[in-house]
Amino acid sequence: DVKVTQSSRYLVKRTGEKVFLECVQDMDHENMFWYRQDPGLGLRLIYFSYDVKMKEKGDIPEGYSVSREKKERFSLILESASTNQTSMYLCASRLTSGNSYEQYFGPGTRLTVT
Amino acid sequence: ILNVEQSPQSLHVQEGDSTNFTCSFPSSNFYALHWYRWETAKSPEALFVMTLNGDEKKKGRISATLNTKEGYSYLYIKGSQPEDSATYLCASPPTDSWGKLQFGAGTQVVVTP
Repeated sequence: DVKVTQSSRYLVKRTGEKVFLECVQDMDHENMFWYRQDPGLGLRLIYFSYDVKMKEKGDIPEGYSVSREKKERFSLILESASTNQTSMYLCASRLTSGNSYEQYFGPGTRLTVT
Repeated sequence: ILNVEQSPQSLHVQEGDSTNFTCSFPSSNFYALHWYRWETAKSPEALFVMTLNGDEKKKGRISATLNTKEGYSYLYIKGSQPEDSATYLCASPPTDSWGKLQFGAGTQVVVTP
């Protein structure tokens, strides 16, 4: 079974802090994704990575950056947290590029920025 | 940006009843349609990935159909059980994919005993 883990289930940070969200997958998947989920909006893609050190902006990359130094780990960085980044953050991975490949999700991190 | 829409936003079902709900997507340049189930406090998990017009997939009491010509997919739950309570998400890749998915807002299903 594919396992995708995220570093924290709940996180509370102050405005202006630098925040790191870590995601690790254990099945040698090439592609990894970061989403945020807000009520009524569904999952929105922030960034994705199709290989080590490769990254692409998703639909809402502003205020975020990512790092993928190792294949199994994909980090989301909030350079200076703001209250509008309070959200549920989900990481996902997928074997390889190809529209018929399903994504495997982590349990999510609920981030509150005060 | 692809417009993937789901309806209804939420529905309440009595245990034992069957139900269905819809995912609609632009029918041009179709690549695939994914269904995920997201139970509270758990990770979303894939139910189906459908690629061909007329596809029908089944997993236990849950099944899905796909009509790519008219741009919709139905998810059916037969004989709903409380453990079917979840948010059901559909998603489709936009044309410039690299495997990105555009998600609908989800249908929240609550099954009451």
